[in-house]
Amino acid sequence: EPEVTQTPSHQVTQMGQEVILRCVPISNHLYFYWYRQILGQKVEFLVSFYNNEISEKSEIFDDQFSVERPDGSNFTLKIRSTKLEDSAMYFCASSEGSTNHFGPGTRLTVT
Amino acid sequence: SQKIEQNSEALNIQEGKTATLTCNYTNYSPAYLQWYRQDPGRGPVFLLLIRENEKEKRKERLKVTFDTTLKQSLFHITASQPADSATYLCAPPPLKTSYDKVIFGPGTSLSVIP
Repeated sequence: EPEVTQTPSHQVTQMGQEVILRCVPISNHLYFYWYRQILGQKVEFLVSFYNNEISEKSEIFDDQFSVERPDGSNFTLKIRSTKLEDSAMYFCASSEGSTNHFGPGTRLTVT
Repeated sequence: SQKIEQNSEALNIQEGKTATLTCNYTNYSPAYLQWYRQDPGRGPVFLLLIRENEKEKRKERLKVTFDTTLKQSLFHITASQPADSATYLCAPPPLKTSYDKVIFGPGTSLSVIP
C-alpha cells in the first residue's frame, strides 16, 4: 500500500537557523498538508496546499513558515529563524478526498 | 466555532473486554466523522469513516456508530488486545470543503491491560 514518507526522521537545529522538512506524498493525491504536534498536545493543522498554492493556513503558520512543491513528488516545509517553541513533531499528509494519509513525522528539536 | 469532545483523556480496560470511546461535537452537523489511531511518536492512522446516513460501520473488531440527533459518535473495539493500546482520535470534517484539513479532537488514550 502506498505511504507518505518524510525525511529526516529527527532534526536538531540551533535557535535562529533555518530548517527544511521534506515529504513525499502518495503519488496520485492532489491535496497536501502539514500538521504539528507539540509534545503532550493534540495534532494541529498548519497549512493545506492544492493546485500549487496554499488553500488554507492556520494562525500558527505565520511568515516564519513557507511551503513548496519544487517538483512532481516532493512537498517541503521551511521554517526560517527557528525558535525554541518550534520544537515539535511535524507531520505531512496527503489526500485524494476526505481522508488524510499521514507520514511518520519529523521530530524537530530546537536548542 | 465547531467543538469536538472525547469522553475521557484516558481509558483502562481489561484484555478481552469491549472498549467504548465517545466523541461529541457541537455547533454544526458534519456530513461524516473519521476515527484515527495514533501511537506514541507516530503519525495518525486512518481507521474508519462513517457518513451521516450510515448508522453503523464495522471493520474487523472495530465498530463505529453515528447519532446525528445526539451529535455523537461511538467507537467500539471488541475483544480488546494489549496491541490496541493507543490514542484514538475523533475527527469531523471542517466547516468548509470536504477535502480540507482534518480537525482532531483531544483524543482518548486507551490502555488494554493483559
